[in-house]
Amino acid sequence: AQTVTQSQPEMSVQEAETVTLSCTYDTSESDYYLFWYKQPPSRQMILVIRQEAYKQQNATENRFSVNFQKAAKSFSLKISDSQLGDAAMYFCAYRTTQGGSEKLVFGKGTKLTVNP
Amino acid sequence: DTGVSQNPRHKITKRGQNVTFRCDPISEHNRLYWYRQTLGQGPEFLTYFQNEAQLEKSRLLSDRFSAERPKGSFSTLEIQRTEQGDSAMYLCASASGYEENQPQHFGDGTRLSIL
Repeated sequence: AQTVTQSQPEMSVQEAETVTLSCTYDTSESDYYLFWYKQPPSRQMILVIRQEAYKQQNATENRFSVNFQKAAKSFSLKISDSQLGDAAMYFCAYRTTQGGSEKLVFGKGTKLTVNP
Repeated sequence: DTGVSQNPRHKITKRGQNVTFRCDPISEHNRLYWYRQTLGQGPEFLTYFQNEAQLEKSRLLSDRFSAERPKGSFSTLEIQRTEQGDSAMYLCASASGYEENQPQHFGDGTRLSIL
């Protein structure tokens, strides 16, 4: 079974600075999808960024980018020019492409604090 | 696009009672998912529907849990004979099925508290 590990329970960053959140995963599959979701306090989870494993190019979405290292099974999220609104729980998630499974496998999350 | 709607937002009940939650997906999303999230953990997958067909179930979904999506629109999740361990946030998500790897859009969740 696939597993997702987020080794940083909490991180903090100064406003306007850059922060990197770590995520590693375990799988024997060669094709899969990876996601970062953001869950602000008492608000719904929203998709931040996604990556298809067959794509070598790292995904970017405005201030958010990933460092996808397939051989190392690593998928870190970089947030540039951090803003107060970035404060939230961040979850890394994995989805297989095989067998028609649609489930997302989530890590335990990293709580990001943004200091003014 | 009004987003995924879940009701109620919070449910408090006594151990042993039955509870039912409702999820209304984004209009025209034919895929619907249920997850459970306990404090300090990421969401855990429970089940998945494509239209009215329940295509995937986690072994977390014990026989006290049942989910339905009778007309391929809204879904209900029922927990019978609730136990303390059922206390959690129950999240619903939906996705469009027209393209591969469409993102799952989550609702605000229903927080279940068992007294």
